[in-house]
Amino acid sequence: SQQGEEDPQALSIQEGENATMNCSYKTSINNLQWYRQNSGRGLVHLILIRSNEREKHSGRLRVTLDTSKKSSSLLITASRAADTASYFCATDNAGNNRKLIWGLGTSLAVNP
Amino acid sequence: KAGVTQTPRYLIKTRGQQVTLSCSPISGHRSVSWYQQTPGQGLQFLFEYFSETQRNKGNFPGRFSGRQFSNSRSEMNVSTLELGDSALYLCASSLQAGSDYEQYFGPGTRLTVT
Repeated sequence: SQQGEEDPQALSIQEGENATMNCSYKTSINNLQWYRQNSGRGLVHLILIRSNEREKHSGRLRVTLDTSKKSSSLLITASRAADTASYFCATDNAGNNRKLIWGLGTSLAVNP
Repeated sequence: KAGVTQTPRYLIKTRGQQVTLSCSPISGHRSVSWYQQTPGQGLQFLFEYFSETQRNKGNFPGRFSGRQFSNSRSEMNVSTLELGDSALYLCASSLQAGSDYEQYFGPGTRLTVT
């Protein structure tokens, strides 16, 4: 069963626009991670945000976390064609069994 | 540093056969995790090894097994293959065990069972 669920399932935008994708999860977490997967570079880590953090930035990426709503969002600003990929959130749970559980991903297409 | 390597990259097997996949983590990384990725189920956690010990296990049948060697290299084995085992198998390494560390993924092994 999925802990995290990304929304939307698919997103198509023009180069230069911003892209926002969301992740909702079910149980309390220690941290949440975002990854990107494309055919060229495989699955790559983007950002890890801990449960006591509300926002993190990395270059053109901004991640927010709202533990009261059990949700996170990933914003990509000024998107480029190279951002075309699937984006996944992965969460652990706050218990002892701290394996990562993954959503099914958001497929982002950035059109030149 | 060299990245995570997985061998073989592609594999075609017949139902009932067994298969062994190999993963070499990034130098210095002691934790290796395995995942199965399919279009319908996404990434499913198989198991995690740290210092040659299985630290965590997903909800897969006993046909799926793994091990880790003293040099942190890991292998996973699937016995009595079924058609539903066709998937991309990903290996990831991290500095330590658990979910507090980012994972570095290999390119995967594409397994096709006919």
